[in-house]
Amino acid sequence: EIVLTQSPATLSLSPGERATLSCRASQSVSSQLAWYQQKPGQAPRLLIYDASNRATGIPARFSGSGSGTDFTLTISSLEPEDFAIYYCQQRSNWPLTFGGGTKVEIK
Amino acid sequence: QLQLQESGPGLVKPSETLSLTCTVSGGSFSSTTYCWDWIRQPPGKGLEWIATMYRGGSTYYNPSLKSRVTISVDTSKNQFSLNLRFMTAADTALYYCARRYCNTTTCYYFDYWGQGTLVTVSS
Repeated sequence: EIVLTQSPATLSLSPGERATLSCRASQSVSSQLAWYQQKPGQAPRLLIYDASNRATGIPARFSGSGSGTDFTLTISSLEPEDFAIYYCQQRSNWPLTFGGGTKVEIK
Repeated sequence: QLQLQESGPGLVKPSETLSLTCTVSGGSFSSTTYCWDWIRQPPGKGLEWIATMYRGGSTYYNPSLKSRVTISVDTSKNQFSLNLRFMTAADTALYYCARRYCNTTTCYYFDYWGQGTLVTVSS
């Protein structure tokens, strides 16, 4: 099983600041990694697929990068609606696995 | 707009079997372009993939649950289902159904989700 480790667990930032979230895989997943955003009481929403492609309707302030074992989700300038929990997920190997999440909270 | 809606009991007794159904509306269900998944999230915790109904009827299960879980599909009703046997308190979670887009060689990521249904295991 591929283990995805997300860091930091919590990121405390102010609106307008840049957020950098990390996801590290226990073995290479090539570019087969996605990022999701989850707000309280809601299902996760797909943000980024295949490491660097924005899903339909996702604002340009969200960007993804990386390949192999190290991946980054960047939010260039935090909007109030971006404070949420973010998960990475790999589809390279069965079983599909998720990272433990990074909570982006208001400082 | 595609919608997925989970249904099932909110409370299950220990050792019993959980049966959940996901009803898909507003889009294509029978196409081999998609596969259908179950994912769960214990309260306050992260996401765990449970099972996939792949195009053509193949199924894939999380090894941690494989001995207890079955996923099935009823295309005539635009539904797919999850059975999880021998429930324990550790199975208490929000259960989501979700869809993944597939091309000819692989399936991708969860692009549509249901709202989730909370299942509590308690006597």
